[in-house]
Amino acid sequence: QSVLTQPPSASGTPGQRVTISCSGSSSNIGSNTVNWYQQLPGTAPKLLIYSNNQRPLGVPDRFSGSKSGTSASLAISGLQSEDEADYYCAAWDDSLNGWVFGGGTKLTVL
Amino acid sequence: EVQLVESGGGLVQPGGSLRLSCAASGFTFSSYEMNWVRQAPGKGLEWVSYISSRGSKIYYADSVKGRFTISRDNAKNSLYLQMYSLRAEDTAVYYCARVYGGCPGDYWGQGTRVTVSS
Repeated sequence: QSVLTQPPSASGTPGQRVTISCSGSSSNIGSNTVNWYQQLPGTAPKLLIYSNNQRPLGVPDRFSGSKSGTSASLAISGLQSEDEADYYCAAWDDSLNGWVFGGGTKLTVL
Repeated sequence: EVQLVESGGGLVQPGGSLRLSCAASGFTFSSYEMNWVRQAPGKGLEWVSYISSRGSKIYYADSVKGRFTISRDNAKNSLYLQMYSLRAEDTAVYYCARVYGGCPGDYWGQGTRVTVSS
């Protein structure tokens, strides 16, 4: 049981816009920034979004993040086949004194 | 280019010990906090342990507290995870990651696989 809650799966067709939600509590998302990772099969996680809505250099602007209260969302616009991957949200938890991750969302491009 | 290379994984019996290493290059290692994060087969990511840049602040996940010890050698640009009393549920790929602000890792290694089985 992950501290942050994500839907286990999401899907969309090429060109569509999809969103992935991440729900937490006052001790994590409610008081700290949210980060998003993309993990392709057999590879290490790749930072996609940090500090709620900031993109590292090289991450396309098709990826965007937002946060409101104790929830956050990752939006992917102009969906492409190469976006098929697992996506994880993460945030620091003040009560646990550590980072917590969502359970991950498997994105399928139909 | 930032590089993190883990090593030390392998097959170990329940109750055994293992020491993981992470060799860092391409950045000033002594200026960065570091994390270990693991991923059990077919499962999601789980944060394991954190160490501050000088090693003065250390945190552990409850699941490994008292059994794992994180450390670093800034002179050798290396991060370590000493694992004792290993259990089947510790079976995972272990990643080292460079902490960036409130982010658990902006750069990650390729991971080293630990299998705990008799």
